[in-house]
Amino acid sequence: DTGVSQDPRHKITKRGQNVTFRCDPISEHNRLYWYRQTLGQGPEFLTYFQNEAQLEKSRLLSDRFSAERPKGSFSTLEIQRTEQGDSAMYLCASSNDRVSVNQPQHFGDGTRLSIL
Amino acid sequence: SQQGEEDPQALSIQEGENATMNCSYKTSINNLQWYRQNSGRGLVHLILIRSNEREKHSGRLRVTLDTSKKSSSLLITASRAADTASYFCATDVSISGNTPLVFGKGTRLSVIA
Repeated sequence: DTGVSQDPRHKITKRGQNVTFRCDPISEHNRLYWYRQTLGQGPEFLTYFQNEAQLEKSRLLSDRFSAERPKGSFSTLEIQRTEQGDSAMYLCASSNDRVSVNQPQHFGDGTRLSIL
Repeated sequence: SQQGEEDPQALSIQEGENATMNCSYKTSINNLQWYRQNSGRGLVHLILIRSNEREKHSGRLRVTLDTSKKSSSLLITASRAADTASYFCATDVSISGNTPLVFGKGTRLSVIA
């Protein structure tokens, strides 16, 4: 169990640029979640996958955001035409629902995005 | 929108004292979970309590759940400086479970050595 890893840890970019983040979940976990967290707030759900299928997207996920999990393993989250309001910590988590319906989520250390 | 509300927002105690944090939520839940977050890091799962459970222990942690009041509490006994972190409650509101969690805003705990 190597844990959930996210890359990069920090990303600084100019407004209007596109950015892509990667998440590698715990290998046997079939569910993968993306959250966004701003300073002083708890994480807010963006989207999640079961294997390669994207099951739900939050209304926070505008059409500038897209997420994929093409082979049911790692996932990418892309933000196009970044805006100041996109500055946040983007967190990825994974869980294994094959064990039971009550499973904790395991989080990575996040990607901190700063928009100049 | 955030379902959970933690109380207090911030708590400062001396090492060795107990810390109690409360969480209230709005809708029916499948389970409630508590997480810890150190500054600049991801969240670490502490404890999960199912909707049909009332109390759970893990080491120095004790969690209670009152579904009639839609509230939970986290007690950390004999606190240590290393317990300094933000603590979040999160609810899984689906019947099927393993769905996205709804987090509160957290309690910032400072333990002074």
